Amino acid sequence: NAGVTQTPKFRILKIGQSMTLQCAQDMNHNYMYWYRQDPGMGLKLIYYSVGAGITDKGEVPNGYNVSRSTTEDFPLRLELAAPSQTSVYFCASSYPHGGTSGRAGETQYFGPGTRLLVL
Amino acid sequence: QKEVEQDPGPLSVPEGAIVSLNCTYSNSAFQYFMWYRQYSRKGPELLMYTYSSGNKEDGRFTAQVDKSSKYISLFIRDSQPSDSATYLCAMSAPGGGNKLTFGTGTQLKVEL
Repeated sequence: NAGVTQTPKFRILKIGQSMTLQCAQDMNHNYMYWYRQDPGMGLKLIYYSVGAGITDKGEVPNGYNVSRSTTEDFPLRLELAAPSQTSVYFCASSYPHGGTSGRAGETQYFGPGTRLLVL
Repeated sequence: QKEVEQDPGPLSVPEGAIVSLNCTYSNSAFQYFMWYRQYSRKGPELLMYTYSSGNKEDGRFTAQVDKSSKYISLFIRDSQPSDSATYLCAMSAPGGGNKLTFGTGTQLKVEL
């Protein structure tokens, strides 16, 4: 059971380039999330998905796109990289409320992160 | 005003000390309260989870929630150097995809 995996671990982009951050989970979780973490700013939600084919914006969606064609995968797309997108990106997944553990507000499991530098 | 406020630290304590970490929040709809621990260059991992008000204990860790004051705490007893990490509080309201609102994190260093 690998949990939540993210690739790449680190990437340098030039302004205006595009890239896709990959995220996969093998826990059969319905819900998946993308966050960015900037120094001293905590985690900000970019996009989330409650199931295959369903995505919604979080707090800071501008400059990003997502898709969810399978339960396992939730890629994050940067179309025109900007220096403001320099950050550490985390993907997470969870069961829905009251999932198999019976607990509402279920635990989110995080991947190891992708460090992105835009120059 | 931020929805969740957390003192960023850094907080430095000697080994064996009792550590108190706190968050305040403004959204009265929050019902689920969590503490995540994040080691340097790693993803956050869940440490404690509490539903509504009350206390929860797990080994050296105790989480407290006071909804009337909109205040949550994490206590670490007999702190160890391995507890050195950033501690993030997080909370969510019912519905809406389990979206979490995080504090900015408190950096803790436990020194020998």
